[in-house]
Amino acid sequence: KQEVTQIPAALSVPEGENLVLNCSFTDSAIYNLQWFRQDPGKGLTSLLLIQSSQREQTSGRLNASLDKSSGRSTLYIAASQPGDSATYLCAVSEAGNNRKLIWGLGTSLAVNP
Amino acid sequence: DAGITQSPRHKVTETGTPVTLRCHQTENHRYMYWYRQDPGHGLRLIHYSYGVKDTDKGEVSDGYSVSRSKTEDFLLTLESATSSQTSVYFCAISGPLNTAGGTQYFGPGTRLLVL
Repeated sequence: KQEVTQIPAALSVPEGENLVLNCSFTDSAIYNLQWFRQDPGKGLTSLLLIQSSQREQTSGRLNASLDKSSGRSTLYIAASQPGDSATYLCAVSEAGNNRKLIWGLGTSLAVNP
Repeated sequence: DAGITQSPRHKVTETGTPVTLRCHQTENHRYMYWYRQDPGHGLRLIHYSYGVKDTDKGEVSDGYSVSRSKTEDFLLTLESATSSQTSVYFCAISGPLNTAGGTQYFGPGTRLLVL
């Protein structure tokens, strides 16, 4: 059974720091991996989607990498800002059913001015 | 932002009463999903739909039913609400895999409290 783990559960950094959030999954037979952001009391916003055949995706200050063989993905945030404070969630869809997502519990990020 | 609305946004109800939550989309996407989000459990899929009148169960479907009579609307019904169904409910939609890879877009959520 696929399991998704995100470490750390919480992270506090000063503004301007570059940081890495980690996501690991137990079954490498994935269709894609997605990173989302959730602000308190709000819905989820899609940040990046990496297909299983891809190694990384970039959007602005965000870069997500995927190492399927080791079951790992990282979300790199460059030059962090207080507005980046949120919970970041990763989710994988499996090759056998690419419409069902299996979710991690998220990393709660606080960027301090 | 994807055009997804959920109603109601907040609801308080009593144990044993039926409750229906509505998700409405303006994107004409084929796939729609209902999730619940609880501390310590993260997001869990309740049911999803892959077309009008086509639905399937997720990992926590017991006590819930869904209906989709139109592309734009996906209803989630708690037949007889229990306190364990107190949660935040999210609707999501996704398009074809060849468009944005099947990225899921989420609604704002419904906070349900069952007393």
